[in-house]
Amino acid sequence: GQQVMQIPQYQHVQEGEDFTTYCNSSTTLSNIQWYKQRPGGHPVFLIQLVKSGEVKKQKRLTFQFGEAKKNSSLHITATQTTDVGTYFCAGPSGAGSYQLTFGKGTKLSVIP
Amino acid sequence: GAGVSQSPSNKVTEKGKDVELRCDPISGHTALYWYRQSLGQGLEFLIYFQGNSAPDKSGLPSDRFSAERTGGSVSTLTIQRTQQEDSAVYLCASSSGGRVGAPQFFGPGTRLTVL
Repeated sequence: GQQVMQIPQYQHVQEGEDFTTYCNSSTTLSNIQWYKQRPGGHPVFLIQLVKSGEVKKQKRLTFQFGEAKKNSSLHITATQTTDVGTYFCAGPSGAGSYQLTFGKGTKLSVIP
Repeated sequence: GAGVSQSPSNKVTEKGKDVELRCDPISGHTALYWYRQSLGQGLEFLIYFQGNSAPDKSGLPSDRFSAERTGGSVSTLTIQRTQQEDSAVYLCASSSGGRVGAPQFFGPGTRLTVL
């Protein structure tokens, strides 16, 4: 079945440093989504990318969808303590599927 | 515009007891999902409902787990004869469905502890 891999699993950064997490799918995706889960909270939808090579920004967060639509990245510029949490990527579980396959997430810790 | 709600927020039970977890999806959302998340782990898919179609139960870990969705809205996840390994946070999500990979909106979860 389809697999979605995320690296790194954990990342510790000093406040103000940049952070990047990468997501790779075993199959081509029609779209990719990113979610953030704060400690003790639940996953919250951040963004969806649909087009090959698409880049979207949300303040200090930059999301990219690869040209082959098999990988994606989330980059945070100048991390803040409010960025702490686990970032998950997710893609449709198969062609035409309404289900999502989630990566295992990257847990970000920010040292003040 | 209420989000997804789940109850109870916490449930402590003894091994061997049955538990029922409830999920109220966002009004109008036709798709409903149940996931399990063990401490510090990712999301484990359990079951998926879409409208009036037969649910996809492929993620249920054993026949002790079952779920219903009544009237296309509220869903109940039942775990019979609970075991300690069932301890986890059970998350419900809903989406508008109708298109591939529609974003999912999660409830706050039910933290289940089996003693």
